[in-house]
Amino acid sequence: LAKTTQPISMDSYEGQEVNITCSHNNIATNDYITWYQQFPSQGPRFIIQGYKTKVTNEVASLFIPADRKSSTLSLPRVSLSDTAVYYCLVGDWETGGFKTIFGAGTRLFVKA
Amino acid sequence: DAGVTQSPTHLIKTRGQQVTLRCSPKSGHDTVSWYQQALGQGPQFIFQYYEEEERQRGNFPDRFSGHQFPNYSSELNVNALLLGDSALYLCASSPGTGRADTQYFGPGTRLTVL
Repeated sequence: LAKTTQPISMDSYEGQEVNITCSHNNIATNDYITWYQQFPSQGPRFIIQGYKTKVTNEVASLFIPADRKSSTLSLPRVSLSDTAVYYCLVGDWETGGFKTIFGAGTRLFVKA
Repeated sequence: DAGVTQSPTHLIKTRGQQVTLRCSPKSGHDTVSWYQQALGQGPQFIFQYYEEEERQRGNFPDRFSGHQFPNYSSELNVNALLLGDSALYLCASSPGTGRADTQYFGPGTRLTVL
């Protein structure tokens, strides 16, 4: 499975756009990129998933360059409630199951 | 529609004891994965069950075992507990039928080993 590298922490202010970049240099052809959000003492929550180019949903956008060696999670106009840990995962189900590997994640702290 | 549920919420055990944690997957999901999350770290993959069989396993000793029942619910068993087993244990379910299925996590069971 491809290893992912993210910044350990980030600070932002309410109303700003936050971009968290994840490096995955060894991503395989069949791998998808998935981001999760986790609040203290809760299970991770799915945010967004993509394979290439750009994906957007109601909470975030995911930008993936052509070489797919990195990806950027974009959170528009963050609020205090977006303070959480964000995990980037890379993997694919086809190899007999999805052995999900979480890294240390990025701790986002949103200030008023 | 209930999401993933886990029981118990909290548990306190002593070293050497055995523990069983339980998980009910989201409706329509047939694949269950278990994770261990120590304080301040990301979740670590323990194993995954599909069709009542262990399909994938992470780097955990044989003290960690599991089971999946015909209704897709699952149990995680840990024998000979160590202090280092204290963690949040997360269960996640997914349809398991397509590529890159997203996983839905439960709230976790907080295990404290004294």
